[in-house]
Amino acid sequence: GAGVSQSPRYKVAKRGQDVALRCDPISGHVSLFWYQQALGQGPEFLTYFQNEAQLDKSGLPSDRFFAERPEGSVSTLKIQRTQQEDSAVYLCASSPDPGTHKTRGNIQYFGAGTRLSVL
Amino acid sequence: AQKVTQAQTEISVVEKEDVTLDCVYETRDTTYYLFWYKQPPSGELVFLIRRNSFDEQNEISGRYSWNFQKSTSSFNFTITASQVVDSAVYFCALEPLTGTASKLTFGTGTRLQVTL
Repeated sequence: GAGVSQSPRYKVAKRGQDVALRCDPISGHVSLFWYQQALGQGPEFLTYFQNEAQLDKSGLPSDRFFAERPEGSVSTLKIQRTQQEDSAVYLCASSPDPGTHKTRGNIQYFGAGTRLSVL
Repeated sequence: AQKVTQAQTEISVVEKEDVTLDCVYETRDTTYYLFWYKQPPSGELVFLIRRNSFDEQNEISGRYSWNFQKSTSSFNFTITASQVVDSAVYFCALEPLTGTASKLTFGTGTRLQVTL
């Protein structure tokens, strides 16, 4: 079956532009995660959805970052007024389980990411 | 707060050598999960192994083995008889059982280069 798909793979934006990054999770996966990976670093958590509900957005670095998953499948990460420090790879991951207390330790399946370069 | 340390930034070995990637973690949680993921040049992270904090048995899967020692907060990964296809960045990650979501805390990764 298809894995997690992210588009675009590469995005170049001028400082101040708005961008939208798309994630198509594995069909039927309840949980969806966004991570930000700076060059030479490990991924850092941004936000988490259980179906359409955004249950944790503690990792979003500023109010310029916004994520949605309106129908509980495809998700979009939007960054407004991009800054140079937003340059990174944005990774999406999905998991079949809801990640409740009783179902932790779930394997997350990652997409190949969107590499955002802000000039 | 959680923290994962992978002190080895980059390792280079010749094919067929054994190599161990170190991972040390910090958490106040008494129960947690540990993971290893592989990131090839294509970019996606590929799951390798999951271990919960109750299970300290070491595990072997083909050429891969993992040594979990709770007493030293370490979860090291060994590749036996390395191959060129093993070249990638390897990440260790921690997931506590507290909190609202299964979010992972990753280390900074170890880049493994295997040459002929």
